[in-house]
Amino acid sequence: DAKTTQPPSMDCAEGRAANLPCNHSTISGNEYVYWYRQIHSQGPQYIIHGLKNNETNEMASLIITEDRKSSTLILPHATLRDTAVYYCIVRVVGTGGFKTIFGAGTRLFVKA
Amino acid sequence: DTGVSQDPRHKITKRGQNVTFRCDPISEHNRLYWYRQTLGQGPEFLTYFQNEAQLEKSRLLSDRFSAERPKGSFSTLEIQRTEQGDSAMYLCASSPIGQGNDNEQFFGPGTRLTVL
Repeated sequence: DAKTTQPPSMDCAEGRAANLPCNHSTISGNEYVYWYRQIHSQGPQYIIHGLKNNETNEMASLIITEDRKSSTLILPHATLRDTAVYYCIVRVVGTGGFKTIFGAGTRLFVKA
Repeated sequence: DTGVSQDPRHKITKRGQNVTFRCDPISEHNRLYWYRQTLGQGPEFLTYFQNEAQLEKSRLLSDRFSAERPKGSFSTLEIQRTEQGDSAMYLCASSPIGQGNDNEQFFGPGTRLTVL
């Protein structure tokens, strides 16, 4: 799996958009970008994934650059409950091995 | 609650003892994964099952570690002769196959192991 680079921590004001960047310059053509988050003392939770196009769901939006070397996870209206560690992961979908390589992630602090 | 469950949630043991953890995946999820997470780090992959077959093992899984999924449903992870370095959160996840989003892994709450 390709490696990703994320800032170790970020702050965001409650109610504002949180934009979490991820660099994945060595991504392969068949690798998807996945985002998970981990709230303290819980298991990681899937947020969103995408290949080329921007994606949106009820939790977040994912913006992938045209060259696919970086992406941004957007939480449109951050709340205190969004304080968590956010992991950006790239991996192939639909093949045999599914080991997920997590990095250290970005610790997002949402402040009132 | 139909999510992934793990038992126990916390385990304290003395060095040299054996411990066993259980994971119950979401019903009908064919794939089951074990990860280990130490403080301040992301989860590290340990092993992966598809149904009852153990298809991949990390080099992190030393000879003291063994995982089983005998009937393709629940799984157990056993650590023999525990060492202080085994202290960590052990996470289990499951995922379905045969669907477009079959890489979405659903994680359990984890078992926190402390080796004294």
